[in-house]
Amino acid sequence: GENVEQHPSTLSVQEGDSAVIKCTYSDSASNYFPWYKQELGKRPQLIIDIRSNVGEKKDQRIAVTLNKTAKHFSLHITETQPEDSAVYFCAASRAGGTSYGKLTFGQGTILTVHP
Amino acid sequence: GAVVSQHPSRVICKSGTSVKIECRSLDFQATTMFWYRQFPKQSLMLMATSNEGSKATYEQGVEKDKFLINHASLTLSTLTVTSAHPEDSSFYICSASASGGPYEQYFGPGTRLTVT
Repeated sequence: GENVEQHPSTLSVQEGDSAVIKCTYSDSASNYFPWYKQELGKRPQLIIDIRSNVGEKKDQRIAVTLNKTAKHFSLHITETQPEDSAVYFCAASRAGGTSYGKLTFGQGTILTVHP
Repeated sequence: GAVVSQHPSRVICKSGTSVKIECRSLDFQATTMFWYRQFPKQSLMLMATSNEGSKATYEQGVEKDKFLINHASLTLSTLTVTSAHPEDSSFYICSASASGGPYEQYFGPGTRLTVT
């Protein structure tokens, strides 16, 4: 099955700096890659996603890049703010077969933005 | 739109008892629902996938007789933890997909289960 590795496990930045979180996946058939932000005790919140027919997607301060050949994708947050502090998870899924729509999550990154 | 609710939000039960958690899609029909478990400071681990009207598909290592999943309608799925033990204490989160494809899953708010 799919395996998703996420790095780093913790990331500490100063307010205004950029933050980058990277993930690799193992199943070349995966074609959907969402990123979630989760605050303590709350549900994961989708912040951006990308499908395999696109190499990059941007939404204001957040961007995701996908390299299908290398099977890795990254989350980029610019101009970080203290309210960006949370746990971030990457995930991967693919259509077809018995894995249809099933998400495999990375291990998570604890992002801390210092004022 | 695309709201998923879960009930209860928190539950404390005694060891050996059973607990039922409900997951509802409030404004869309969920062809597929997923159940996850999240231990403190860990990632979300998929327990099972359920499609309306059919048996759930469990992930390797998840006991189907212990975690009973029912997806009786396009808006409701239930997870019953049978004969709960302290090691079952966790955060249980459901999600629902409208299309069943590799698209966005809508997550419920989660249920914090504590078994004493």
